[in-house]
Amino acid sequence: GDSVTQMEGPVTLSEEAFLTINCTYTATGYPSLFWYVQYPGEGLQLLLKATKADDKGSNKGFEATYRKETTSFHLEKGSVQVSDSAVYFCALSEQGAQKLVFGQGTRLTINP
Amino acid sequence: DTEVTQTPKHLVMGMTNKKSLKCEQHLGHNAMYWYKQKAKKPPELMFVYSYEKLSINESVPSRFSPECPNSSLLNLHLHALQPEDSALYLCASSPTSDPSYEQYFGPGTRLTVT
Repeated sequence: GDSVTQMEGPVTLSEEAFLTINCTYTATGYPSLFWYVQYPGEGLQLLLKATKADDKGSNKGFEATYRKETTSFHLEKGSVQVSDSAVYFCALSEQGAQKLVFGQGTRLTINP
Repeated sequence: DTEVTQTPKHLVMGMTNKKSLKCEQHLGHNAMYWYKQKAKKPPELMFVYSYEKLSINESVPSRFSPECPNSSLLNLHLHALQPEDSALYLCASSPTSDPSYEQYFGPGTRLTVT
């Protein structure tokens, strides 16, 4: 079945550091790819998405590019802030399916 | 603003109790979802409703009973739960059940079964 693998956390960085969270996937067909973020005590929010190969999703300074050749969708941000501390989930959906497949999540802590 | 609302925020119940979780969305969406999330884990899909009809049941035990009274409301009825059912229960909605659309999540109900 389809699956998503994220880099294991937790990840701890200093403010203004560069962030990369790796995400690779296994899927048949042509999935859409997502990054969701969960702040403490809250539900999930969509951070960005890409629906086809070479698409770049971006939001709030975060970016991720849909790489079909490497089956990857790595999340990057050039300069993180304390307010970016949260759990980040990579997810995929396959055309015609009705559900998301989530990675295990990566807990990110940014220290001032 | 939270566009998907869930009540209650916290719930403690005994194994013989009957309780219900409620979810409401005013986004005009036609698909609604229940997820269960254990600590430090991703959400696990439980049920999907599409146009008020149950379209996916992920082999959830019958002690969880979903209900969709109308397109804006989604309930989860709980009966004879086990301590291992303690978790954060998340509701979500989307324009349709095609998951290429964004899902909008509520803040969740934190359930403790004693």
